[in-house]
Amino acid sequence: AQKVTQAQTEISVVEKEDVTLDCVYETRDTTYYLFWYKQPPSGELVFLIRRNSFDEQNEISGRYSWNFQKSTSSFNFTITASQVVDSAVYFCALSEAQDYGGSQGNLIFGKGTKLSVKP
Amino acid sequence: DSGVTQTPKHLITATGQRVTLRCSPRSGDLSVYWYQQSLDQGLQFLIQYYNGEERAKGNILERFSAQQFPDLHSELNLSSLELGDSALYFCASSTDSQQSDTQYFGPGTRLTVL
Repeated sequence: AQKVTQAQTEISVVEKEDVTLDCVYETRDTTYYLFWYKQPPSGELVFLIRRNSFDEQNEISGRYSWNFQKSTSSFNFTITASQVVDSAVYFCALSEAQDYGGSQGNLIFGKGTKLSVKP
Repeated sequence: DSGVTQTPKHLITATGQRVTLRCSPRSGDLSVYWYQQSLDQGLQFLIQYYNGEERAKGNILERFSAQQFPDLHSELNLSSLELGDSALYFCASSTDSQQSDTQYFGPGTRLTVL
């Protein structure tokens, strides 16, 4: 079965600390896509990154970086020098393949990690 | 701003009632997805439409239905509402209907059933 696990329910850090949010996934597909979304207190879901299963290069975007490791089925997200504005719930998601139940790309979400950054 | 719009932002209604949630996708996007976010179930996929046709179904109750119109906007109809239907309902859109497509989410409609 396809599944995404975010074992950290809540994390609290002090501003300027680095923080890593863990994501472990399960899939039978050889081709799959992983995503991270941010849900700030205002409630909307904001897309952060998409990664396909063939690209294991780490990605860096400003203070954000992502570490994708197929060997451990993990797609972890690190925020460097965290800021109060980073406080949000972060969701990792897996895009389901076409073959299962006729689905085409609907997302399977983890339960989310609530990050609180204190000044 | 993702470009996906949802109305209304908030909806309060009573058990047994019926409501309609509306979604307009980003310009040019053909796929619309509906998700439900609740405290106990998390974010769950409900249903997908592509260019007017139903493409995939997830954990959608029989009391719920959806459609996508020729102008590509979509509506999610929830009937015989129960207290447990209280949740945040998201619409997302993507260019196509491929596994690789990025879905962009609207701001959500918060439904409260009293």
